[in-house]
Amino acid sequence: DVQLLESGGGLVQPGGSLRLSCAASGFTFSSYPMSWVRQAPGKGLEWVSAITSSGGSTYYADSVKGRFTISRDNSKNTLSLQMDSLRAEDTAIYYCAKEKQPPYFDYWGQGTLVTVSS
Amino acid sequence: EIVLTQSPGTLSLSPGERATLSCRASQSVSNNYLAWYQQKPGQAPRLLIYGASSRATGIPDRFSGSGSGTDFTLTISRLEPEDFAVYYCHQYGSAPHAFGQGTKVEVK
Repeated sequence: DVQLLESGGGLVQPGGSLRLSCAASGFTFSSYPMSWVRQAPGKGLEWVSAITSSGGSTYYADSVKGRFTISRDNSKNTLSLQMDSLRAEDTAIYYCAKEKQPPYFDYWGQGTLVTVSS
Repeated sequence: EIVLTQSPGTLSLSPGERATLSCRASQSVSNNYLAWYQQKPGQAPRLLIYGASSRATGIPDRFSGSGSGTDFTLTISRLEPEDFAVYYCHQYGSAPHAFGQGTKVEVK
């Protein structure tokens, strides 16, 4: 069975940094693009970032461009999101999602909560 | 950038009734690359429909998707108790990905 397990969320002050991880299992991780999608409390879904299967290309929403960095380690079946210069509006549950081509999301992790507050 | 508008915001129905959810795009969705997800409280979204009308693995046939261009519909033919949830549409035909704001299907 496909499993995606996020970790690394927590409380951070505005301007701070946090690194999220997503451990993948149950599929050939290196064959699939991956994404991060977030959901602010009580709100809808917002795509954040994507990375190709090899890690050679990355994509970002305008709201996080220049502040967030997505990466992957195919030898460890792990997806990461480095979040810098965090703002209150980045407060959300962050989900990692496996992509199916064309890029819809066929599996999602349970999410990790990031709270940006002083 | 495509904007998706879902209607209604909330749908109040009884078990056994038919639910019809709408998703309208601000411009044509390329190749009808439109998906639908179900989300229950405290859970991650679950893929129901992709390519506007193809059911994902394990999804019951009471869920169906239709539409093309800018107008798409998710239909639940007969609501089961476990179907009361929030539903999101998602276009993936052009960058960036976009989600609708969601339709909540609640018990009347």
